[in-house]
Amino acid sequence: DIQMTQSPSSLSASVGDRVTITCRASQGIRTSLSWFQQKPGKAPKSLILAASTLHSGVPSKFSGSGSGTDFTLTISSLQPEDFATYYCQQYYSPPFTFGQGTKLEIK
Amino acid sequence: EVPLVESGGGLVKPGGSLRLSCAASGLSFSDSYMSWVRQAPGKGLEWVGRIKRKSDGETTDYAAPVKGRFSISRDDSKKTLYLQMNSLKTEDTAMYYCGTGSACDIWGQGTMVTVSS
Repeated sequence: DIQMTQSPSSLSASVGDRVTITCRASQGIRTSLSWFQQKPGKAPKSLILAASTLHSGVPSKFSGSGSGTDFTLTISSLQPEDFATYYCQQYYSPPFTFGQGTKLEIK
Repeated sequence: EVPLVESGGGLVKPGGSLRLSCAASGLSFSDSYMSWVRQAPGKGLEWVGRIKRKSDGETTDYAAPVKGRFSISRDDSKKTLYLQMNSLKTEDTAMYYCGTGSACDIWGQGTMVTVSS
């Protein structure tokens, strides 16, 4: 099985900051990676697919990059609504494993 | 219109069974691969399984913890996805979400399953 490791597991930042979350796969997955945002008590929401393609309706402040084993999610100019938990998921080979999540909190 | 609506969750005793449904609307259900993902209280997301579309054989894949106990099926005429859960364990307690695709592009709102005596 492919293991997905996210870092950091938690992150404190201020409104207006730019943050980067990293996701590493235990083996190459090309660009078969998605990023999700989840707020407390809500279903996850797709942000990015194929490592760098923004899902419909997602603002351009979110961006993704990477291929192979190393991937990043960058959020520019943080706003209060961006504070949430973020997950990566590989869909290269089943089981389609998730990272453990990164909780982004307000400093 | 909500694209995906799960139902069928509830309280069940260990060893029991439950069938979840996911009704789709406003999307091309028959052309879509469909997935189930769960989230135990206070924990992260866990992929449960996926079913391909009919033209790709409706092949299924499952996560190791549920393989042999859970079964995913679909009825394209009803635009509905199913998750049959048998031999339920306390560790299956979670919110269960359905989603489109292998990496859920669109998510339902979830249905809660509690396995407890």
